[in-house]
Amino acid sequence: AQSVTQPDIHITVSEGASLELRCNYSYGATPYLFWYVQSPGQGLQLLLKYFSGDTLVQGIKGFEAEFKRSQSSFNLRKPSVHWSDAAEYFCAVVINQAGTALIFGKGTTLSVSS
Amino acid sequence: EAQVTQNPRYLITVTGKKLTVTCSQNMNHEYMSWYRQDPGLGLRQIYYSMNVEVTDKGDVPEGYKVSRKEKRNFPLILESPSPNQTSLYFCASSALGGNYGYTFGSGTRLTVV
Repeated sequence: AQSVTQPDIHITVSEGASLELRCNYSYGATPYLFWYVQSPGQGLQLLLKYFSGDTLVQGIKGFEAEFKRSQSSFNLRKPSVHWSDAAEYFCAVVINQAGTALIFGKGTTLSVSS
Repeated sequence: EAQVTQNPRYLITVTGKKLTVTCSQNMNHEYMSWYRQDPGLGLRQIYYSMNVEVTDKGDVPEGYKVSRKEKRNFPLILESPSPNQTSLYFCASSALGGNYGYTFGSGTRLTVV
């Protein structure tokens, strides 16, 4: 069955340090890939997406993600974390052309220490 | 401003009392969907709709109903709510095609006592 795995439930990073959040998916073909962020009490905001082309994609708020087909991964990175980045991050994949099958990982909570 | 609007933001109700959570989008999107978010389980799809009068079940449809009479609206109906439906609910919309990304509402926190 198709699935999305975010291995880290909770990560703490010092302010100014780099960040990498991991995401692996299980799907036969290349899916459409997304990262969303959810701040406390808020809805989900799209950070970035990948569906073809350059495997390194840039998003909002200084985030980027790299698609690695050989590893079925789509890890999210940021070179220098700010305290305002503390939130929950979700990786998601769409596994059909119509876009109706959007599957989420269980999320990674990011805490930022000063 | 392009957005998905859900109402209410917070709702406390009693077991068995029918309720409706409204969802409206102003982007002329064909696709709309409902998710519930529970700690440790992430977001799970309840129902989705690919256009007016076209709806289908997601992963956790039991206890829920939806309708799509107009393109912009996609209400979620709980005919007889139970405590296990206490959750955070999100509505989302997108153009069809999967690669456009999804716009989410701000969420409805439902508590059933």
